[in-house]
Amino acid sequence: EPEVTQTPSHQVTQMGQEVILRCVPISNHLYFYWYRQILGQKVEFLVSFYNNEISEKSEIFDDQFSVERPDGSNFTLKIRSTKLEDSAMYFCASSVYQETQYFGPGTRLLVL
Amino acid sequence: GENVEQHPSTLSVQEGDSAVIKCTYSDSASNYFPWYKQELGKRPQLIIDIRSNVGEKKDQRIAVTLNKTAKHFSLHITETQPEDSAVYFCAAGQAGTALIFGKGTTLSVSS
Repeated sequence: EPEVTQTPSHQVTQMGQEVILRCVPISNHLYFYWYRQILGQKVEFLVSFYNNEISEKSEIFDDQFSVERPDGSNFTLKIRSTKLEDSAMYFCASSVYQETQYFGPGTRLLVL
Repeated sequence: GENVEQHPSTLSVQEGDSAVIKCTYSDSASNYFPWYKQELGKRPQLIIDIRSNVGEKKDQRIAVTLNKTAKHFSLHITETQPEDSAVYFCAAGQAGTALIFGKGTTLSVSS
């Protein structure tokens, strides 16, 4: 069964550094999402992406964040200047239509 | 915007018992309500979902009910097994929009 994949599984970075988190959505899916989960807390929506543009974003998704679909398979989340509070698990998700979202295994980001 | 409340935060049951987790939502425009199971360190896995044109849906030992008037929906797990132990999240959303998650319920099933 096809699954969403994410790389890296873990990322440690220094505060102020840029990070890029990568996702490969399920191949026939058209809608892509990023969520984050701070340790022990709920999953929080960051951004959704469809037809090569952002369709919705939360208040968490400020100017430090950006998303891109650089080719036909990858979907990336960039954090330009990481802060301590960006430490979290970042999940990519995708859906073929507009409802059932399938999550990737996540990237655990630790900002020191 | 949408707000989802989930109760209880923790639930302990004996193997074979039933477990019920309840969620309420605030946005009457929400029409899609999935439930995810998350084991420690793993991705959220969709276990069942329901759309607003349906009042109840069942899949083997798992069922979900939706009351649109009261804006609440519930997950029912019957004949619980130790492997059901995990964190369960409810979520609410509309077609093509963000899923807003509840805070999760940690279910522990003891044998």
